[in-house]
Amino acid sequence: GAVVSQHPSRVICKSGTSVKIECRSLDFQATTMFWYRQFPKQSLMLMATSNEGSKATYEQGVEKDKFLINHASLTLSTLTVTSAHPEDSSFYICSATRNGGQPQHFGDGTRLSIL
Amino acid sequence: QKEVEQNSGPLSVPEGAIASLNCTYSDRGSQSFFWYRQYSGKSPELIMSIYSNGDKEDGRFTAQLNKASQYVSLLIRDSQPSDSATYLCAVIGAGNTGKLIFGQGTTLQVKP
Repeated sequence: GAVVSQHPSRVICKSGTSVKIECRSLDFQATTMFWYRQFPKQSLMLMATSNEGSKATYEQGVEKDKFLINHASLTLSTLTVTSAHPEDSSFYICSATRNGGQPQHFGDGTRLSIL
Repeated sequence: QKEVEQNSGPLSVPEGAIASLNCTYSDRGSQSFFWYRQYSGKSPELIMSIYSNGDKEDGRFTAQLNKASQYVSLLIRDSQPSDSATYLCAVIGAGNTGKLIFGQGTTLQVKP
């Protein structure tokens, strides 16, 4: 079946650090990838839709200059949390779809902790 | 009104019983519906997808969709302790943007 790999699985760093998270589709081409954030005991909230070769589409309230998304190839999208602060601590999860269809296949998530 | 609503639970059932999880959605034009299972600290895992009215069965899982009433449910037969998790209902709204809208999730506890 489809596999989506997300790296790293956990990051602990100091406030002000920028953190890059990678999302790879391992056995299919993903024209569309999605980035979610999940706070404790809450559901997944979509942050942005990442389209290969074009700018990401951000959801309302998500700062595009703080959460930089690059989808440079059909198998890789990256999310960079710039100048991270403690309030950015969360569980970040990516998903990918074949040819923009459904269903979405999720990566294992990245737990980000900003001290 | 939230776009996708679920009872947060916890729903507690004894081992071997049927667990019934419910979800309602507000966008009448929604076409695609999904159930994901999420264990604590893990990412969601797709359990079922359903696109047309009626029942869809896969092993111990049955998804039911009623578009007229705008609800989708998931039945888990012969519940096992390993089924204990949070179950997320997700919907793709009208417009087919591909974006999933998640409910809050229902926590299921299966007691041995």
